Amino acid sequence: DAKTTQPTSMDCAEGRAANLPCNHSTISGNEYVYWYRQIHSQGPQYIIHGLKNNETNEMASLIITEDRKSSTLILPHATLRDTAVYYCIVRVAGSGGSNYKLTFGKGTLLTVNP
Amino acid sequence: DAGVIQSPRHEVTEMGQEVTLRCKPISGHNSLFWYRQTMMRGLELLIYFNNNVPIDDSGMPEDRFSAKMPNASFSTLKIQPSEPRDSAVYFCASSFRGSGLYNEQFFGPGTRLTVL
Repeated sequence: DAKTTQPTSMDCAEGRAANLPCNHSTISGNEYVYWYRQIHSQGPQYIIHGLKNNETNEMASLIITEDRKSSTLILPHATLRDTAVYYCIVRVAGSGGSNYKLTFGKGTLLTVNP
Repeated sequence: DAGVIQSPRHEVTEMGQEVTLRCKPISGHNSLFWYRQTMMRGLELLIYFNNNVPIDDSGMPEDRFSAKMPNASFSTLKIQPSEPRDSAVYFCASSFRGSGLYNEQFFGPGTRLTVL
């Protein structure tokens, strides 16, 4: 799996946009970028994923650079409940080999402050 | 939708005792995963089932750990005998493996295991 690099921690003011960066400079052409988060004492929660186009859903937006070497997860209006560890993961989505694996790194602890 | 259900949510036991963790995946999902999370090692995949068959158990730490999936709606992770170093949060996750695609995994709330 391609490795990812994320800042250890970030702060954000409630109501403001939270922009979480992720570097994945060795990503392969068939690897997707996935984002999960883990709120304290809960299981990880899927947020969004993308290949090369920007993606948006009800939770967040994912911006992937044209060279695909980095991406940014955007929470448009952060709330206190968004305080969590955010994991950026790259993996092949196809069902062959060991593509089922999600390799969680240390992630970014996002703290949303009132 | 009830999501992935795990029981018990908390388990405290003494070293040497048998521990059984239980998981009910989301209905319709055909892939099930057991993970372990500790401060030192983070989230680790222990075992993966597809259509109730164990596909990858390379993450199971040692023979004291075993997992079964007797049907599509139930799985167990057993530790016998348990040791203090097994103390961790154990998560179960499920997903749907379609033709040519692994979809996102949905995680349960976890079982916090403490072995004294």
